[in-house]
Amino acid sequence: NAGVMQNPRHLVRRRGQEARLRCSPVKGHSHVYWYRQLPEEGLKFMVYLQKENIIDESGMPKERFSAEFPKEGPSILRIQQVVRGDSAAYFCASSPLGLAGGNNEQFFGPGTRLTVL
Amino acid sequence: DQQVKQNSPSLSVQEGRISILNCDYTNSMFDYFLWYKKYPAEGPTFLISISSIKDKNEDGRFTVFLNKSAKHLSLHIVPSQPGDSAVYFCAVTTQGGSEKLVFGKGTKLTVNP
Repeated sequence: NAGVMQNPRHLVRRRGQEARLRCSPVKGHSHVYWYRQLPEEGLKFMVYLQKENIIDESGMPKERFSAEFPKEGPSILRIQQVVRGDSAAYFCASSPLGLAGGNNEQFFGPGTRLTVL
Repeated sequence: DQQVKQNSPSLSVQEGRISILNCDYTNSMFDYFLWYKKYPAEGPTFLISISSIKDKNEDGRFTVFLNKSAKHLSLHIVPSQPGDSAVYFCAVTTQGGSEKLVFGKGTKLTVNP
C-alpha cells in the first residue's frame, strides 16, 4: 500500500520560470493538503483540497500560486514566475477523513525541494 | 505571530534516558494535538496524538501529556534510543474546522549511544 508520492523530489528553476509539483495521495484518500517549509522553520499550511474542490486556501500567496486536485490524476501545486524566495521544501499530505472523521492524522509525502536560481 | 512554540531548538540525551520535548500554543480553540517526527530529506511521520478531552495518551515508549489550562503539551520518550534522533514537530488543529495543521518550528533531538 503505497504512501503519499511526490514528484519531482528535487526541482531547479530559474527566476521567472514555472514550477509544477505533483502529489499522489494514499490510495483511497480524498483529502490533500500542501505545506511549505522554509529553512529553519516549521511547516506552513498552504491549501486544503478535496477532489475537484478547494476547501481552504488561506495559506496560499494571492499571486502566482495555484493548486488543483482533479477527479482523475494527482494534485498539482503550480508556481508561476518563480522568485528566489519560493525556494523551499513543499510537502503534500493526505488523509482519509474529512470534517466528520474526527481523526486529523495526515500522512506526508517525502517533499519536493524547489531551488530557484 | 507564532501560534505554536517549541522553545528548545535542540535537545541532547543519553541512550536509555528520558527525552522530554515541549510545546506551547496560544489559541484555546485548538482541540487536537499531534507530534510528528522528521528525518532529513524525508517527510514528517505521524507519531502520536491527543484530543483535548484527554490529558494523557500513551503508545509504547511515547507518551503525550496535555495541560489545557497552561496551553502546554509535552512528548516523553522513554527509554530513548539512538534511532529516535530526528526533528520533532508539534502540530495543532481544530476538529471540525479547516483541518489545517499549525506546526511549531521543531526540536532536534539527538540521542547519544
